[in-house]
Amino acid sequence: QKEVEQNSGPLSVPEGAIASLNCTYSDRGSQSFFWYRQYSGKSPELIMFIYSNGDKEDGRFTAQLNKASQYVSLLIRDSQPSDSATYLCAVIPRGSWGKLQFGAGTQVVVTP
Amino acid sequence: EPEVTQTPSHQVTQMGQEVILRCVPISNHLYFYWYRQILGQKVEFLVSFYNNEISEKSEIFDDQFSVERPDGSNFTLKIRSTKLEDSAMYFCASRDRGLAGELFFGEGSRLTVL
Repeated sequence: QKEVEQNSGPLSVPEGAIASLNCTYSDRGSQSFFWYRQYSGKSPELIMFIYSNGDKEDGRFTAQLNKASQYVSLLIRDSQPSDSATYLCAVIPRGSWGKLQFGAGTQVVVTP
Repeated sequence: EPEVTQTPSHQVTQMGQEVILRCVPISNHLYFYWYRQILGQKVEFLVSFYNNEISEKSEIFDDQFSVERPDGSNFTLKIRSTKLEDSAMYFCASRDRGLAGELFFGEGSRLTVL
């Protein structure tokens, strides 16, 4: 069974600090990696995706991918109370029809 | 901005009843998906649909579930005889082309089975 693993948290972060979220995946052939944010009772919304090893930055968010270690991370700089949510890591496994396989999510709480 | 729309937003049903959840994907999208999320658990893939047929399904998607695209715009999920454990949020999603791009999610339909 292909797995996507995340620390469930909660991860408590002071306002203005950096939140660091980690995700590992078991399918070495996975090619596409996504970070979604989900507020309670709402649908997932895409923060960013990454396909290549290295870093990808978008505003206050940076995704990092290391395929050799099967590891993807998300950094949130200058965390705001509105960033308080559950962050879902998702991958597209090799050979799938584009289905996303989600981790269980990491709850982030940004404290003023 | 185009969006995926789902109806109903919340449905309460009795165990054993049939339920149909409806979705209108973004108009030029080609790949359609249903996911579910039981309260407090992770988002789980149910089924993917392309070119008017199921392209992939999970173990959850058993004979009690079916999908169809009856009129070229709607995409429906039917649960034939609901069970208590079918209570969940059901998300429809669509993607335009390729299998690696952004997946757009609807707001979800909450199903409560009593």
